[in-house]
Amino acid sequence: AQKITQTQPGMFVQEKEAVTLDCTYDTSDQSYGLFWYKQPSSGEMIFLIYQGSYDEQNATEGRYSLNFQKARKSANLVISASQLGDSAMYFCAMREGQAGNNRKLIWGLGTSLAVNP
Amino acid sequence: DAGVIQSPRHEVTEMGQEVTLRCKPISGHNSLFWYRQTMMRGLELLIYFNNNVPIDDSGMPEDRFSAKMPNASFSTLKIQPSEPRDSAVYFCASSLGGLLTDTQYFGPGTRLTVL
Repeated sequence: AQKITQTQPGMFVQEKEAVTLDCTYDTSDQSYGLFWYKQPSSGEMIFLIYQGSYDEQNATEGRYSLNFQKARKSANLVISASQLGDSAMYFCAMREGQAGNNRKLIWGLGTSLAVNP
Repeated sequence: DAGVIQSPRHEVTEMGQEVTLRCKPISGHNSLFWYRQTMMRGLELLIYFNNNVPIDDSGMPEDRFSAKMPNASFSTLKIQPSEPRDSAVYFCASSLGGLLTDTQYFGPGTRLTVL
């Protein structure tokens, strides 16, 4: 079974609108971390946002926020006020276990986002 | 601060040749990761090091692949002999570790083409 599932291979959004990229995860660990990365067409992998399993507040970083629903095991990325430069692949990843003990990340297959002018 | 540095950025070689990819992690980071990305298989972790020691190399495809980290500021990934199916983008990433995040920061990648 997939541990990280990104069900949307491709998404379109109009410039200036908000968009939600889905990510569901599967783990039996109580301590874990969830990450989102952006990969534009230029190829680099850019860290966007992190959510720890014990964090009570949803993480936010500028226009990025993480809608963390622990009971549903979902960690959706919300991009507000989309910009043309947001067009990219977006990857969700999970670290199982407490930070410092197991540093492998499990990656989803990604969602391709296209922002239309 | 300088990010993760990888060299070369592009490599074109012929089947059977030896290829060496290089990585300099962010200064002070104590974990280093080698990934391979292809359209067919997505992003795959090949090997990672903690404090220069290989921790998990289960993702290394076969004996043709080897990785070393002789010190905290340098790592190599070697393919010998190379094959066309090794064509991919190879990323190096590093992290500081600790109790909060272990966020991995990626280098720009090396695009390898084996003819």
